[in-house]
Amino acid sequence: GESVGLHLPTLSVQEGDNSIINCAYSNSASDYFIWYKQESGKGPQFIIDIRSNMDKRQGQRVTVLLNKTVKHLSLQIAATQPGDSAVYFCAENIGAGGSYIPTFGRGTSLIVHP
Amino acid sequence: KAGVTQTPRYLIKTRGQQVTLSCSPISGHRSVSWYQQTPGQGLQFLFEYFSETQRNKGNFPGRFSGRQFSNSRSEMNVSTLELGDSALYLCASSGGTGGSTDTQYFGPGTRLTVL
Repeated sequence: GESVGLHLPTLSVQEGDNSIINCAYSNSASDYFIWYKQESGKGPQFIIDIRSNMDKRQGQRVTVLLNKTVKHLSLQIAATQPGDSAVYFCAENIGAGGSYIPTFGRGTSLIVHP
Repeated sequence: KAGVTQTPRYLIKTRGQQVTLSCSPISGHRSVSWYQQTPGQGLQFLFEYFSETQRNKGNFPGRFSGRQFSNSRSEMNVSTLELGDSALYLCASSGGTGGSTDTQYFGPGTRLTVL
């Protein structure tokens, strides 16, 4: 899961395994959540999002679960592949000015071993 | 469609100087957001512009400013640079509708080093 500090938590998995990356968010007023993937030397890339009126959303090989009671978000990646190796972080968003103000988690480094 | 482009990609400045970074959004996108990414603080929201107006602002000092032009291109400026301003500065563009949940597309970033 995510934590504060210079060193990112790391999740190491074998190719083909399922991966679960966790995120604890802080603001109960957050109503929109996004998971991003960031590969070395690149900007973050949108993976999947979920609104606060949902508790689960599925995409291609990815599922996001939202538990508002404990302010917890998770990203599940099915059949993890070496190309999934990257830093993953969540963003909680609070509506403001017709848009959103995001707050990002620190990230989790996912390492997939072939 | 071309992605978000940022110039320059790398920049070295000294303390006290000022710097301007540029971002060209995806064609048709009207919202541009700026972020600072550092190992210590992670990814932090600076500000968002939509149709040449600043719509939201993060918790950064007034030394950090931005603007957006009529073609949606955006610039951010940092005055009186400090060592702690060394970071990767990311720009992201989204939507054409200005919708709050339009997907953001990030550029590769500008790596700023302050000596």
